[in-house]
Amino acid sequence: DVKVTQSSRYLVKRTGEKVFLECVQDMDHENMFWYRQDPGLGLRLIYFSYDVKMKEKGDIPEGYSVSREKKERFSLILESASTNQTSMYLCASRGTPGYTFGSGTRLTVV
Amino acid sequence: AQSVTQPDIHITVSEGASLELRCNYSYGATPYLFWYVQSPGQGLQLLLKYFSGDTLVQGIKGFEAEFKRSQSSFNLRKPSVHWSDAAEYFCAVGPMEYGNKLVFGAGTILRVKS
Repeated sequence: DVKVTQSSRYLVKRTGEKVFLECVQDMDHENMFWYRQDPGLGLRLIYFSYDVKMKEKGDIPEGYSVSREKKERFSLILESASTNQTSMYLCASRGTPGYTFGSGTRLTVV
Repeated sequence: AQSVTQPDIHITVSEGASLELRCNYSYGATPYLFWYVQSPGQGLQLLLKYFSGDTLVQGIKGFEAEFKRSQSSFNLRKPSVHWSDAAEYFCAVGPMEYGNKLVFGAGTILRVKS
């Protein structure tokens, strides 16, 4: 089975901190995604990557950046965390038959 | 722009009763359609998908969904709900070209009464 691992289940960070959310997949997939999940809004795409060092903005990229130095790893970066970035963050990897999601990182910014 | 509407935020059904979760999409071409389930504290698990062919698709855990192009719908059904089906369900739509960014609905929370 494809495995997508997010390094932290829960994080608490202070406003203004730089935050790194890490995601690793073990199936050599080219496409990886970062989504943000908020109640009543479903999942919204932040960024995605279709190859190493390649990235594209999703629907809500403001306040975020990403890094994909190796195929298996896709990092989401909050340059200066703010309270409105408190959310559940889900990483996904795309292969056949579809997406595989990690368990999520619940980030709280205080 | 593509969008997905799940009209029901919460649904409560009795254990053993049948279930239908609604999903309507807006998309300019033939889409890929998915249903995912999320148990509390977990990531999303794929229940089933539709790419082409037979419009009634079978998934895991006894779920099925029917693609109706004329109604732009992809409703999820299960004939007899189990207490373990209590979770949040997401419908998603994506393009058929490579890359395949998915757009998700807001989700439907299913509660099961015993």
